[in-house]
Amino acid sequence: DAGVIQSPRHEVTEMGQEVTLRCKPISGHDYLFWYRQTMMRGLELLIYFNNNVPIDDSGMPEDRFSAKMPNASFSTLKIQPSEPRDSAVYFCASSFGVLGANEKLFFGSGTQLSVL
Amino acid sequence: AQTVTQSQPEMSVQEAETVTLSCTYDTSESDYYLFWYKQPPSRQMILVIRQEAYKQQNATENRFSVNFQKAAKSFSLKISDSQLGDAAMYFCAYRKPPQGGSEKLVFGKGTKLTVNP
Repeated sequence: DAGVIQSPRHEVTEMGQEVTLRCKPISGHDYLFWYRQTMMRGLELLIYFNNNVPIDDSGMPEDRFSAKMPNASFSTLKIQPSEPRDSAVYFCASSFGVLGANEKLFFGSGTQLSVL
Repeated sequence: AQTVTQSQPEMSVQEAETVTLSCTYDTSESDYYLFWYKQPPSRQMILVIRQEAYKQQNATENRFSVNFQKAAKSFSLKISDSQLGDAAMYFCAYRKPPQGGSEKLVFGKGTKLTVNP
């Protein structure tokens, strides 16, 4: 398997523009997570899905952020309008089953977002 | 809320030597999971080792082992025979037990490990 695939790897945009980050989880995985990494706040969970249904979106910073998972093999994280403080690395991760003794989280390589 | 603290922003070690990375956490739960993740320059997070709180025996994975002190809420990572490829950011993470809980992993801020040849 190719692992969790994220695109684009880098995104540079101007303040006010819409940004869409994409993720393809590992085939067969039923959980998908979006994390954000910044120097100040570290790694934070934004939202996660189970069987394409959003379960916990309490980490989504504000209404400018939205995430969808239209099918088991694709998810998007959209920021509209983007602001400079959204600059961060955004990670997508997936797992088969609940995390714990036997299951583990597989991360993508992240999208480095820079909002000018 | 659960918190994870890594008090060492940076550490360095000589190749072939041993280094220990510290992690403490705060929780009122009795059952939970702890993890160490490695983030090399490629950015992709990789699971290094995990520990179940109800297991007293410390987890080991080849050159990586943990010192889990439940009462002290401490979970340190020991890397033996350090190799140049071990250079990376290391993150400690906590997860509540799955029963009725979120799948959320709470991460520490990370420790940057440098391995000197």
